[in-house]
Amino acid sequence: DTEVTQTPKHLVMGMTNKKSLKCEQHMGHRAMYWYKQKAKKPPELMFVYSYEKLSINESVPSRFSPECPNSSLLNLHLHALQPEDSALYLCASSQGGDNEQFFGPGTRLTVL
Amino acid sequence: QKEVEQDPGPLSVPEGAIVSLNCTYSNSAFQYFMWYRQYSRKGPELLMYTYSSGNKEDGRFTAQVDKSSKYISLFIRDSQPSDSATYLCAMSGDRGSTLGRLYFGRGTQLTVWP
Repeated sequence: DTEVTQTPKHLVMGMTNKKSLKCEQHMGHRAMYWYKQKAKKPPELMFVYSYEKLSINESVPSRFSPECPNSSLLNLHLHALQPEDSALYLCASSQGGDNEQFFGPGTRLTVL
Repeated sequence: QKEVEQDPGPLSVPEGAIVSLNCTYSNSAFQYFMWYRQYSRKGPELLMYTYSSGNKEDGRFTAQVDKSSKYISLFIRDSQPSDSATYLCAMSGDRGSTLGRLYFGRGTQLTVWP
């Protein structure tokens, strides 16, 4: 099973709202990733967790706050977002290192 | 110069055609090469994963890596309308890190018409 699940599928929020995106994998993977993808662009790396510790933060604004409660779960907390943050947010997981990364279906976020 | 170059297309072919998708790269340290297929408004799906130079075949798909030319290809045989999607190349292994940072091409939009 190479499934990564993400909820919700769609999210619409105002600039003053607080919301969270969730990601789950049951493949025993040790690394989990958040990506942001704008239309007709490749995914852009935001955060990497390795063994539940934040290993990479690609200078992401603090209005995005990641959390890894355990090895299977990854959250992305959103607060005071801007309309330009509207995008497809993708979660991925891998065994770590240069092993294959498997992506979830994404959450389509719209910020009004 | 971007690290990974990929012609965005669009590429339009008739059903049954052989499709060739390509990427070039500049970083000779890349060791791992991937092709992802992404349908509109969906997450990328891993199609092929290869290490170093050589060919890998999986059904109608063949991935080729030529490290000497810094060139990778994905061939799709007997293309089907269901192959219509954006194809992203990706690569990693640039610093021997344990974190597997992926470097993506821009993606090529493919349409296979019946």
